[in-house]
Amino acid sequence: EDQVTQSPEALRLQEGESSSLNCSYTVSGLRGLFWYRQDPGKGPEFLFTLYSAGEEKEKERLKATLTKKESFLHITAPKPEDSATYLCAVRSGNTGKLIFGQGTTLQVKP
Amino acid sequence: ETGVTQSPTHLIKTRGQQVTLRCSSQSGHNTVSWYQQALGQGPQFIFQYYREEENGRGNFPPRFSGLQFPNYSSELNVNALELDDSALYLCASSSPGRGGEQFFGPGTRLTVL
Repeated sequence: EDQVTQSPEALRLQEGESSSLNCSYTVSGLRGLFWYRQDPGKGPEFLFTLYSAGEEKEKERLKATLTKKESFLHITAPKPEDSATYLCAVRSGNTGKLIFGQGTTLQVKP
Repeated sequence: ETGVTQSPTHLIKTRGQQVTLRCSSQSGHNTVSWYQQALGQGPQFIFQYYREEENGRGNFPPRFSGLQFPNYSSELNVNALELDDSALYLCASSSPGRGGEQFFGPGTRLTVL
């Protein structure tokens, strides 16, 4: 059964303190791994898509990497405005079904 | 480029009632997916519509049904509402010709009393 697990569930950082979020997945026939950011009460905002092991994508202070079993979202020198829940999802099969993890809630304190 | 929109923003219903949620896809996108997100959880896939046909369904009972219209907008209908149906309902649109990225709307918060 396809499954996505994110860790940690919650993370508190001081402004400028770099860290990484983990997304472990089990899927038959990966057709993309997606990272989203979600602010409270709002819809997820698309960040990155990764398709194959070794691939990396960057956007401002965020960098996403992919291996055959997991993905990492690295946050370099975070700012308070980076506080949000970060969701990881995988797509498998021929439909567009995304399987999400439960998310990591990040709080960055000034 | 117009993003995904959903209506209404909030909705309060009582157990046993029926509800219809609406979604307009991002311009240029012909595929719409619906997700249910309980508090503190990741979104769960309900179903997807492509060219007005259901194209995949998650583990939701038949009282969850949907439609897609020729302009690619979509409806989610839920009959015989239960307390556990209280959640944020998210609509996402995508285009098969791209990388499969799904772009989400702001969601509809449904509360069932």
